[in-house]
Amino acid sequence: EDKVVQSPLSLVVHEGDTVTLNCSYEVTNFRSLLWYKQEKKAPTFLFMLTSSGIEKKSGRLSSILDKKELSSILNITATQTGDSAIYLCAVVQGGSEKLVFGKGTKLTVNP
Amino acid sequence: DGGITQSPKYLFRKEGQNVTLSCEQNLNHDAMYWYRQDPGQGLRLIYYSQIVNDFQKGDIAEGYSVSREKKESFPLTVTSAQKNPTAFYLCASSTGLAGSNNEQFFGPGTRLTVL
Repeated sequence: EDKVVQSPLSLVVHEGDTVTLNCSYEVTNFRSLLWYKQEKKAPTFLFMLTSSGIEKKSGRLSSILDKKELSSILNITATQTGDSAIYLCAVVQGGSEKLVFGKGTKLTVNP
Repeated sequence: DGGITQSPKYLFRKEGQNVTLSCEQNLNHDAMYWYRQDPGQGLRLIYYSQIVNDFQKGDIAEGYSVSREKKESFPLTVTSAQKNPTAFYLCASSTGLAGSNNEQFFGPGTRLTVL
């Protein structure tokens, strides 16, 4: 059965801390891995990773894929209260092009 | 403005009633998807459609039905057979092209509550 597992499920930090969110997967015919941020409603796209070892960066956020370990990490440096959200990891299945989602990591950043 | 719209934002249903959730997109995307989100469960795929007049069951299709008569529209009906329909429902779309990078764009969601 295809699955995506995220850890931790919940994380509480103080402003300025650096956090690392983990995503591991077992999905047949892997095509790519996506990270989304969900605040109140619609998830918003952060990164798409297809190649192993190449870091993607956007401001204080960065992410990297390790195809050998079947995993990805999302790093957030110098966290701010606005980073508080659920971070979702999803893997695209080639062929069906379906997304298989993890349960998400709920990040709370306290002032 | 290009995007995905869902309506209504909030929906209340009595037990035994069918309700239909609307999803429309003007992104010219071929593929559309319906997900259900429950606390602590992440997103679970209900149905998806890669092309007009065709759709497939996802992981939790029981008690739901869909149609795809137009490219822009993918309505979801929650039937009385769905035993626990109270949830947040998200619609998404993507280019759906095999071999392409299929980022999915999400609508704002509909929160359904069964009274």
